[in-house]
Amino acid sequence: DTAVSQTPKYLVTQMGNDKSIKCEQNLGHDTMYWYKQDSKKFLKIMFSYNNKELIINETVPNRFSPKSPDKAHLNLHINSLELGDSAVYFCASSQDRHGGLDGELFFGEGSRLTVL
Amino acid sequence: GENVEQHPSTLSVQEGDSAVIKCTYSDSASNYFPWYKQELGKGPQLIIDIRSNVGEKKDQRIAVTLNKTAKHFSLHITETQPEDSAVYFCAARRIVSWGKLQFGAGTQVVVTP
Repeated sequence: DTAVSQTPKYLVTQMGNDKSIKCEQNLGHDTMYWYKQDSKKFLKIMFSYNNKELIINETVPNRFSPKSPDKAHLNLHINSLELGDSAVYFCASSQDRHGGLDGELFFGEGSRLTVL
Repeated sequence: GENVEQHPSTLSVQEGDSAVIKCTYSDSASNYFPWYKQELGKGPQLIIDIRSNVGEKKDQRIAVTLNKTAKHFSLHITETQPEDSAVYFCAARRIVSWGKLQFGAGTQVVVTP
């Protein structure tokens, strides 16, 4: 059983297109995240949701819009894709007991987005 | 905000030797320091963590040390094995309401037989 699963694993698309990445966790965690990993392996947080509420919204272009229909799902929609959006996008979840994001992060296997 | 620097960016070691990765952080209020290991084609996975009330923690072949005064923390892997080859990330965070985890840039460790 995959704890944090994200689809698709690979996504190749043209500049200007709109695409979505879906994420689901079956760990019963309250908090979910989207991270972006660039070609140099740097991990940068983009968004975090706790019980479907947005709690972290980093300096990310408005073209990126997360949606959390319930606490087990966090999807990422990207409009008007640009070359610089090419990266691996990781979904993660954690169970935070003190409202302090102090739980271990469980990552999905990543979705590699290539914009041509 | 927190800034975490990690060195070296790549580390090549002979099987059986030790590997050390060092990180420094900028926010003196940070009090939680995890280490994540990312194998090829996978997401990062927590391997060990330490809180600021502890100076050292060990789990089998891996250990982490923390120097709060100098704002340094390090990962030590002893008796390295080929399966230790991966990218390792240090991170730091304040345990306060919705405090963000700030990752270092990662260290690519290659263990050669």
